[in-house]
Amino acid sequence: NAGVTQTPKFQVLKTGQSMTLQCAQDMNHEYMSWYRQDPGMGLRLIHYSVGAGITDQGEVPNGYNVSRSTTEDFPLRLLSAAPSQTSVYFCASSYGLGWSAGELFFGEGSRLTVL
Amino acid sequence: GIQVEQSPPDLILQEGANSTLRCNFSDSVNNLQWFHQNPWGQLINLFYIPSGTKQNGRLSATTVATERYSLLYISSSQTTDSGVYFCAVEWTSYDKVIFGPGTSLSVIP
Repeated sequence: NAGVTQTPKFQVLKTGQSMTLQCAQDMNHEYMSWYRQDPGMGLRLIHYSVGAGITDQGEVPNGYNVSRSTTEDFPLRLLSAAPSQTSVYFCASSYGLGWSAGELFFGEGSRLTVL
Repeated sequence: GIQVEQSPPDLILQEGANSTLRCNFSDSVNNLQWFHQNPWGQLINLFYIPSGTKQNGRLSATTVATERYSLLYISSSQTTDSGVYFCAVEWTSYDKVIFGPGTSLSVIP
């Protein structure tokens, strides 16, 4: 199994440009989420989804959109990139236990630089 | 919202030494996980431990949910243990998994 796959691994954008970070998992996981990690800091939750068609905001949702049209995919969209969105982005997934997200598994990360 | 604290923030160990990392959280949680982020940035699952004690080789973890803390114990540390250790908690009644700030560990030969 490929697990959680993120693309691209590296991206440089100019301020105001838009882009989509892709996340796909092949484990039939219900729960998926996006985090950002800034230098010297922990991971902060951006958005998450407990199943297809259902998304919700995390700790730092501003400037980001998500959708969940299939169980496998959970793309993260930046509509108008800002330098403050320079970060490493991680996608995670888990089985989801109904009452709990369950054990998270992470992708390898996507490093985004906004100039 | 829920607060997650980790201590110590930084730790330097001589190879072979033992250490205990602590994670405190401010509210009831459904589950707790420990992760190791290696120097290449990969996040590796160590333990999924809502309560009780688990062991995996030189590592063990204990979560006391009623007292709102978890401990990660590393014995006979090796240079490959270097990196950042994070605990992550899922806030009860929500599906949000929130990370602590991490403990940065350096194991020197």
